[in-house]
Amino acid sequence: SAVISQKPSRDICQRGTSLTIQCQVDSQVTMMFWYRQQPGQSLTLIATANQGSEATYESGFVIDKFPISRPNLTFSTLTVSNLSPEDSSIYLCSAGQGGEKLFFGSGTQLSVL
Amino acid sequence: AQKITQTQPGMFVQEKEAVTLDCTYDTSDPSYGLFWYKQPSSGEMIFLIYQGSYDQQNATEGRYSLNFQKARKSANLVISASQLGDSAMYFCAMSAMDSSYKLIFGSGTRLLVRP
Repeated sequence: SAVISQKPSRDICQRGTSLTIQCQVDSQVTMMFWYRQQPGQSLTLIATANQGSEATYESGFVIDKFPISRPNLTFSTLTVSNLSPEDSSIYLCSAGQGGEKLFFGSGTQLSVL
Repeated sequence: AQKITQTQPGMFVQEKEAVTLDCTYDTSDPSYGLFWYKQPSSGEMIFLIYQGSYDQQNATEGRYSLNFQKARKSANLVISASQLGDSAMYFCAMSAMDSSYKLIFGSGTRLLVRP
């Protein structure tokens, strides 16, 4: 199974600033994804992080707000830009080879004041 | 479009007893995967079990088993011999076995294990 390290684990940010979240996998993986979990809600897919090319965003999520990088097969970053209180959520990185096992990082708890 | 439904917002179970968490799904894809994850209060998502749509046998992983009824489109999670540490949110999820492998999640079930 893949071990996924995500940091920071939590942060408190001011309105209008940005937060970059890092996701490091201990082995090369085909698939990497970023999810958002708003308070008391289920998980919603933000985008698929594509290695060496632009991420594929789900409906309702745009690159200007959630820029994503994936420079190689083990690492990805998600930036949440121009923060507002509505962005307060848990952000989770997921990775795997596709198919049977998709693993998650420990999540980043973001609070925006 | 794919959809996952978990109709039990909350469940109680006595320690050492078995409990079933319900999950139904809807998809037009011929090939798909079904997952269960556990989310304790710390917020991490812990992979529990996987069932492929073409798997003939129900998946098992230790105390976890998946009761897969394809005709009914249900994929219930059974936890045997519940432990206090099983208290958490449980999410059912589905992915299409196309090249995307994106997961769609249900709304979750909060399980509380009573001593």
